[in-house]
Amino acid sequence: EPEVTQTPSHQVTQMGQEVILRCVPISNHLYFYWYRQILGQKVEFLVSFYNNEISEKSEIFDDQFSVERPDGSNFTLKIRSTKLEDSAMYFCASRPRGLPTDTQYFGPGTRLTVL
Amino acid sequence: KQEVTQIPAALSVPEGENLVLNCSFTDSAIYNLQWFRQDPGKGLTSLLLIQSSQREQTSGRLNASLDKSSGRSTLYIAASQPGDSATYLCAGVYNQGGKLIFGQGTELSVKP
Repeated sequence: EPEVTQTPSHQVTQMGQEVILRCVPISNHLYFYWYRQILGQKVEFLVSFYNNEISEKSEIFDDQFSVERPDGSNFTLKIRSTKLEDSAMYFCASRPRGLPTDTQYFGPGTRLTVL
Repeated sequence: KQEVTQIPAALSVPEGENLVLNCSFTDSAIYNLQWFRQDPGKGLTSLLLIQSSQREQTSGRLNASLDKSSGRSTLYIAASQPGDSATYLCAGVYNQGGKLIFGQGTELSVKP
């Protein structure tokens, strides 16, 4: 069964460094998402991406964050200058279309640790 | 503001028991609602999706209901097993864009 994949599974970085989290959504899906979950807290929406542009973003998704779909398969989240509070599990998700019946499929996540 | 709440935060039951997990949402203009399972340190696995026009959905031992007027959804698990131990999350979608708004989850422990 097709699945969303994410790399790396765990990323450790120093505060102020740039990180890129990578995702390969399910191949025929059209909507892509990033969420994050700080330890012990709710899963929070960051950004949605459709038709090669951001369709919605949360207030968390400030100028330090960017997303890109550089080719037909990868979907990336870049954090330009990481802060301690960016430490979290980051989940990528994809969805086939925009119908009420569409399930979102999540990847296994990337655990980001900022030191 | 659209919010999703799950109570209780944790639940422990003996194996074989039928149980209900609760989810409430503040905005009845919901597009659909999904239930997910999350194992420790893992991603989210979709269990059931209920469209706003539906009242319930079933998959195996799981049954999810949706009552928009009261702002509630329940996940019923029949004949619980130790393998059902996990955190269960509900999440609402309010537009075609699909942004999920999550509850904080209920951590379920099924004791053998």
